[in-house]
Amino acid sequence: DAGVIQSPRHEVTEMGQEVTLRCKPISGHNSLFWYRQTMMRGLELLIYFNNNVPIDDSGMPEDRFSAKMPNASFSTLKIQPSEPRDSAVYFCASSPRTAGNQPQHFGDGTRLSIL
Amino acid sequence: ILNVEQSPQSLHVQEGDSTNFTCSFPSSNFYALHWYRWETAKSPEALFVMTLNGDEKKKGRISATLNTKEGYSYLYIKGSQPEDSATYLCASASVRSTDKLIFGTGTRLQVFP
Repeated sequence: DAGVIQSPRHEVTEMGQEVTLRCKPISGHNSLFWYRQTMMRGLELLIYFNNNVPIDDSGMPEDRFSAKMPNASFSTLKIQPSEPRDSAVYFCASSPRTAGNQPQHFGDGTRLSIL
Repeated sequence: ILNVEQSPQSLHVQEGDSTNFTCSFPSSNFYALHWYRWETAKSPEALFVMTLNGDEKKKGRISATLNTKEGYSYLYIKGSQPEDSATYLCASASVRSTDKLIFGTGTRLQVFP
């Protein structure tokens, strides 16, 4: 079975540009999570969806960040305009059901560098 | 404890040694405790999800215990092997927001042959 698929794996762009990260969760999983990993703050939850509906976006840093899940098999995280401090590894994860007692399955991440 | 804390931050052991590390989490409103194994250049992989006080789970040479009353979990590795080298993350969920995991910063384990 395919796991969580993220694209691109690496992205290097100049500040001010729009960045779009993509995620395909495991088929049949109802919950999708976007995380950011930095040296300073570790793994932080940005936003999560249950059944395609955003539930908690309190971790989204500011209005430059937005996330959508138009259907059960696709989600995007967009940064516009991007800034050097957005440089990090962004992970997408999915889990079978909408409860914290289910393991999360992580994608390979997108390493983002903003110059 | 307001956050999830892990200790030690890093650990170096010889092949064959047994080792353990700690995860501390808020005991009030506890819902679930997760352990993940994260190898360099890969993605975190779920090891255990525990919910009950006194719970103990085992997968091969790795086991974990849970004390929800005092807010800690131990991860044990028996007879460490070089392939056990990874960062071990724990994460806690509370009843106030059961889907939301708060991660610790991890324990980085390096096993020398």
